[in-house]
Amino acid sequence: QQQVKQSPQSLIVQKGGISIINCAYENTAFDYFPWYQQFPGKGPALLIAIRPDVSEKKEGRFTISFNKSAKQFSLHIMDSQPGDSATYFCAASTQAGTALIFGKGTTLSVSS
Amino acid sequence: EPEVTQTPSHQVTQMGQEVILRCVPISNHLYFYWYRQILGQKVEFLVSFYNNEISEKSEIFDDQFSVERPDGSNFTLKIRSTKLEDSAMYFCASTGTTYGYTFGSGTRLTVV
Repeated sequence: QQQVKQSPQSLIVQKGGISIINCAYENTAFDYFPWYQQFPGKGPALLIAIRPDVSEKKEGRFTISFNKSAKQFSLHIMDSQPGDSATYFCAASTQAGTALIFGKGTTLSVSS
Repeated sequence: EPEVTQTPSHQVTQMGQEVILRCVPISNHLYFYWYRQILGQKVEFLVSFYNNEISEKSEIFDDQFSVERPDGSNFTLKIRSTKLEDSAMYFCASTGTTYGYTFGSGTRLTVV
């Protein structure tokens, strides 16, 4: 019940295209859903996050869509660029100060 | 922007030896964490630390592991007797009273 399931495992998108990564969870106590971007040899960096009281949050080219009833959330990267090539992790936690549970990650390659 | 600083960036140790990984969290943060990431896998929670004691730990965090905040700035992870399977990236993170987890760049631990 503590798992966060992420798909796809890898994704290849053409420059300018839309990248979509999906996550699903079971624990209804989760109330914070961040997405992290990780480049090789670096730590995860917070990209965007959402709480369950909203269904969508947009920051620049990055959008989180959240479906509370389906217990799913997704990351959309609009106008994908080669510099977006990285591993993306979804995560969830129950409250501030508690453990983040990560998905298995999606390796995104944006071809020019 | 405030950073979480980790040292060393890479540590090679012999199996059975003790290692100490060091972290300097963001100064006004209250919660401190250790996560690990085995090569190519997801980021896994190890332990959280609040008010000078462990607040939460995972199954991975067994008796071989310990954490300490020896002074007002450092946060350490000790592995008493390293095994080959402890080889991983270890990330320190910190948060304040909100959800904003900030991760360090990690320490790559190689056990030979």
